[in-house]
Amino acid sequence: DAGVIQSPRHEVTEMGQEVTLRCKPISGHNSLFWYRQTMMRGLELLIYFNNNVPIDDSGMPEDRFSAKMPNASFSTLKIQPSEPRDSAVYFCASSSLAGTPYNEQFFGPGTRLTVL
Amino acid sequence: DAKTTQPPSMDCAEGRAANLPCNHSTISGNEYVYWYRQIHSQGPQYIIHGLKNNETNEMASLIITEDRKSSTLILPHATLRDTAVYYCIVRYSGNTPLVFGKGTRLSVIA
Repeated sequence: DAGVIQSPRHEVTEMGQEVTLRCKPISGHNSLFWYRQTMMRGLELLIYFNNNVPIDDSGMPEDRFSAKMPNASFSTLKIQPSEPRDSAVYFCASSSLAGTPYNEQFFGPGTRLTVL
Repeated sequence: DAKTTQPPSMDCAEGRAANLPCNHSTISGNEYVYWYRQIHSQGPQYIIHGLKNNETNEMASLIITEDRKSSTLILPHATLRDTAVYYCIVRYSGNTPLVFGKGTRLSVIA
């Protein structure tokens, strides 16, 4: 299994530009989580989906952020327009609603975003 | 907010046991204790979890006190590759998000 796949691994953009981060969860997993990590705030949840449906987006900072999961094998996190304070590492994680009783979350390698 | 308290950092000699404590005095009866770790620049990795009983797997052991207000993660023979930030997380089972605190930065020293 390839694990959770995220792209791009690194993104450098200028303030005001649109940024799209992509995530492919582990095949068969039906929960997907987007987390953000900064030095100041640590690891924090942005949004999560169960069966492609957003369950909790209270962690999304503001309307500039949006996330979609059009099917079970793909999700995007979009920032438009981007700002320097959005610079962070964005992690995607997936888990299964069934199967293992403890619902281990598997994390991708992250996307390091730098907004100049 | 995280419901756990951990020391910010610890050192451990290579080959020795690393004992990482965690306080979770407000844990409820149905909440589990989970441990994840994050090696530099990587995504967090699941280590172990438990409810009431002590647990052991190929990576570590988890000791939970009888009143469940604290626990200890034990890495029996720490190696340099175990250098990481270790997060203790309290959550209900099921597909709920992880709430990360600041964790403990473990440095394994040769």
